[in-house]
Amino acid sequence: ETGVTQSPTHLIKTRGQQVTLRCSSQSGHNTVSWYQQALGQGPQFIFQYYREEENGRGNFPPRFSGLQFPNYSSELNVNALELDDSALYLCASSIDGTGNNQPQHFGDGTRLSIL
Amino acid sequence: GQNIDQPTEMTATEGAIVQINCTYQTSGFNGLFWYQQHAGEAPTFLSYNVLDGLEEKGRFSSFLSRSKGYSYLLLKELQMKDSASYLCAVVDSNYQLIWGAGTKLIIKP
Repeated sequence: ETGVTQSPTHLIKTRGQQVTLRCSSQSGHNTVSWYQQALGQGPQFIFQYYREEENGRGNFPPRFSGLQFPNYSSELNVNALELDDSALYLCASSIDGTGNNQPQHFGDGTRLSIL
Repeated sequence: GQNIDQPTEMTATEGAIVQINCTYQTSGFNGLFWYQQHAGEAPTFLSYNVLDGLEEKGRFSSFLSRSKGYSYLLLKELQMKDSASYLCAVVDSNYQLIWGAGTKLIIKP
């Protein structure tokens, strides 16, 4: 069973640039959720994709966008990067959304630093 | 607003028992998860509660009281490897996970 994989592991960008982060979901999982985690904080929900459709969104501006592919892998795109976007970005996959007893399985994250 | 409260940091001794509390105020409730996160690593699933009561899984147990908006994670026979952050997360009425800031647990010999 292949776990959740994220790429790249680390990334350095400057203000105003754009970034794309990638996530491959665990085999058999059709739901991908993206989170932003600042140092010493819990994850903050960005959005979730279920069967290629957005299935809920947190309190993040429209410059945070994403998509899910037919193989259930996913991308997170962030435009016009700001210094406060520096964080660990976590991808988690699960079966059939949230709210059942199926836990989310996390990738190791992408550490994004904005200079 | 939605709020999940956990102690910021706790210290315990190897071999002892520790209880990490979590209180929540969310728009609806569809379950509560506990995750463990070692520094620099991804969160890993520990437990899930949706009904009141105690769920036991080896050295770890999790308790839920929906009427009180309260949960705790109980860790027995503490080992040095249990040093980590423990995150409480509630599934709200929109089926979104709302996360606490985590409790950093320090285990001393």
